[in-house]
Amino acid sequence: DTEVTQTPKHLVMGMTNKKSLKCEQHMGHRAMYWYKQKAKKPPELMFVYSYEKLSINESVPSRFSPECPNSSLLNLHLHALQPEDSALYLCASSQGHLGLSTGELFFGEGSRLTVL
Amino acid sequence: KNEVEQSPQNLTAQEGEFITINCSYSVGISALHWLQQHPGGGIVSLFMLSSGKKKHGRLIATINIQEKHSSLHITASHPRDSAVYICAVSGTGNQFYFGTGTSLTVIP
Repeated sequence: DTEVTQTPKHLVMGMTNKKSLKCEQHMGHRAMYWYKQKAKKPPELMFVYSYEKLSINESVPSRFSPECPNSSLLNLHLHALQPEDSALYLCASSQGHLGLSTGELFFGEGSRLTVL
Repeated sequence: KNEVEQSPQNLTAQEGEFITINCSYSVGISALHWLQQHPGGGIVSLFMLSSGKKKHGRLIATINIQEKHSSLHITASHPRDSAVYICAVSGTGNQFYFGTGTSLTVIP
């Protein structure tokens, strides 16, 4: 199984809603990532979890809250978002072995978020 | 300052043409990655390489560590190759640096 599964594929939410994006992988990868991608732009890193601990937070606003319940799951909790947060949110994973090359990056299909 | 630079930004080719996309980087790396993204879709890893050359079907990726440069070649291009091709580099930490992508359109 070399898949990263993201749900939902599409999400429309109002600015007062609370929703969550989910990501799952069963490749034994120890590094998991959230990226945000706007149209015609490369992915922008939001968060990195390494061995289930948050290792990188790229100064993301607190209305985005990541969670890594276990080594296979990664969530992104959304609250009080703004219309400019509308984007494709991509989850990815890699081997992430400490001190070694992090390995190949596997992406999910993404969750397309629209904030009204 | 971009750690990874790609060229060209946009590329249009006729079906059957040989295509080259270039990538230069300025940081120390443990590996370089070529990724493909179709419109509206997720991202697929094509190659991860740290030296030399790799080939997969009609795709060839090369890297020159001394010159900090990589190329992605597509032989006998086909309209289904139309996509954005992204170069990314990784170190020993869990950090990837992405290029801005090359948008390829192959015309039948």
